[in-house]
Amino acid sequence: TQLLEQSPQFLSIQEGENLTVYCNSSSVFSSLQWYRQEPGEGPVLLVTVVTGGEVKKLKRLTFQFGDARKDSSLHITAAQPGDTGLYLCPRLRGQGNLIFGKGTKLSVKP
Amino acid sequence: GAVVSQHPSWVICKSGTSVKIECRSLDFQATTMFWYRQFPKQSLMLMATSNEGSKATYEQGVEKDKFLINHASLTLSTLTVTSAHPEDSSFYICSARSPGGNQPQHFGDGTRLSIL
Repeated sequence: TQLLEQSPQFLSIQEGENLTVYCNSSSVFSSLQWYRQEPGEGPVLLVTVVTGGEVKKLKRLTFQFGDARKDSSLHITAAQPGDTGLYLCPRLRGQGNLIFGKGTKLSVKP
Repeated sequence: GAVVSQHPSWVICKSGTSVKIECRSLDFQATTMFWYRQFPKQSLMLMATSNEGSKATYEQGVEKDKFLINHASLTLSTLTVTSAHPEDSSFYICSARSPGGNQPQHFGDGTRLSIL
């Protein structure tokens, strides 16, 4: 069973600060996805990383897939209140369904 | 991009009522759709995998007679919460996956179900 752990579970920061969220596993993944969920809405796919060592940027968000494809990180530069939400890196199972962990709840205060 | 529409977005009803939630893929065909439940301040919990033209696969602990899933077409899956009770109150979210390998899931905006 591939287990994914996210850290930190909660993060409260001021606008303008930088932050990093981690997603770690003891198993190798063929690919990994990051989602963000805002209150009262469904999760929205941010990125899919596939290649070990891959780095993808989405404006102020930088995603990295570990060389061994066992971990991933999300770095946000100069966080804004609009970045507030639940960040999720689910594991992919069998029929293509996603198993979500607790995620990282980010709060960016103005 | 791919869009998944969920309806209704909010339901309030009396205990004992059955409630149907629809999940539609608007611009792609989804052979597989997924239903999740999310309680306040918690993450999404997979309830079942819905396959077009066949029976849904339920996760352990999810009552299939309580949560009826029908996936009659490539663009529509429905979840019916039968004889709903207050403990069924939750945020229900569906997702759909485009056919083909390694395709991401696209999520609907969820349905807030409140049982009085």
